[in-house]
Amino acid sequence: TQLLEQSPQFLSIQEGENLTVYCNSSSVFSSLQWYRQEPGEGPVLLVTVVTGGEVKKLKRLTFQFGDARKDSSLHITAAQPGDTGLYLCAGAGTGRRALTFGSGTRLQVQP
Amino acid sequence: DAGVIQSPRHEVTEMGQEVTLRCKPISGHNSLFWYRQTMMRGLELLIYFNNNVPIDDSGMPEDRFSAKMPNASFSTLKIQPSEPRDSAVYFCASTETSGSFDEQFFGPGTRLTVL
Repeated sequence: TQLLEQSPQFLSIQEGENLTVYCNSSSVFSSLQWYRQEPGEGPVLLVTVVTGGEVKKLKRLTFQFGDARKDSSLHITAAQPGDTGLYLCAGAGTGRRALTFGSGTRLQVQP
Repeated sequence: DAGVIQSPRHEVTEMGQEVTLRCKPISGHNSLFWYRQTMMRGLELLIYFNNNVPIDDSGMPEDRFSAKMPNASFSTLKIQPSEPRDSAVYFCASTETSGSFDEQFFGPGTRLTVL
């Protein structure tokens, strides 16, 4: 069974601060996705990373896939209240369409 | 596009009753996934279909759970009999498997409470 551990589980910060969320596994994934989920809604895809060592930027969000494709990080610069939500990483095994989701990081950005 | 549609949005029932959750995937998508989300266990895959055929149901907790996809535009997840530990938010997601790294589009979920 492929497991994804996220840290921290909860994070409460002030507007303007930077933060990093980690997603770790002992398994290798062919790709890794990051989703954000707001209360009362389903998760929404932010990014997909595929290549070991890959870095992708989405405005103030920077995503990195580990060289060995076992871990990933999400860095948010100058967090805003609109970034509040549950961040989920999800990995796809080789040849498998189903995703394994991480335990989630609940982010609260105070104005 | 209306996105993935789930019904009902909220369901409150008593232990022992049958519960049926419904999902309409995005038109043109050929894979459909059912997930369950709880605070304790996070988001867990229950079952997924490709071209209406169940591919992986290893996440279905037990025989009380069953899922069907009679056609490309409709799926159901049934729990019979329901138990309090089944209380969770159930999500349906769909994707168009045109590539290797498919984005899953989630519905708004059904919040199930079993008393």
